Amino acid sequence: EVQLVESGGVVVQPGGSLRLSCAASGFTFDDYAMHWARQAPGKGLEWVSLISWDGGSTYYADSVKGRFTISRDNSKNSLYLQMNSLRGEDTALYYCAKGNEVANYMDVWGKGTTVTVSS
Amino acid sequence: EIVMTQSPATLSVSPGERATLSCRASQSVASNLAWYQQKPGQAPRLLIYGASTRATGIPARFSGSGSGTEFTLTISSLQSEDFAVYYCQQYNNWPPVTFGPGTKVDIK
Repeated sequence: EVQLVESGGVVVQPGGSLRLSCAASGFTFDDYAMHWARQAPGKGLEWVSLISWDGGSTYYADSVKGRFTISRDNSKNSLYLQMNSLRGEDTALYYCAKGNEVANYMDVWGKGTTVTVSS
Repeated sequence: EIVMTQSPATLSVSPGERATLSCRASQSVASNLAWYQQKPGQAPRLLIYGASTRATGIPARFSGSGSGTEFTLTISSLQSEDFAVYYCQQYNNWPPVTFGPGTKVDIK
């Protein structure tokens, strides 16, 4: 069974930093691109970032570009999101999602981890 | 950036009835459109990709159609477990991948 388990979400002050992790199992992790998406409280879905299967290509939403860094460790079947210069508008449930092998839709999602940016 | 819109924002339907949800893209996305279902407190689940292909394990009462800028998700006979929020997402022109604002299907 394909599983994605996010961790690392906490309450952090504005301007602070945080690293989210996503542990993947049940599939060949290094065959697939991976995404981060988020959902602010009571709001819709927002794509955050994408990383290619080998980590060689990364892409970001304009709202996080220059502040967030996506990375992966294929030897550990793990995906990461380093979040710096956090703002109140970054408060959200952050989801890790598996990309499809040929197209950038998300065919499996984790349950998410909550990030709250507040003083 | 391609902007996705969805209508209606809320759809009230009785169990057993048909539900028709619309999604529009600000420019053509060909057939590179996915639909997701999200129930309260749960992660999104992929329903449809390629505008009309059901994902693994998705019941046949869910169907997708359309191409270019106009898309439809149809639920032929609503079951109690289908009351949820539905999002469309384009993956033709990226980054960014973009989602619609969602349609909430609730019980009439």
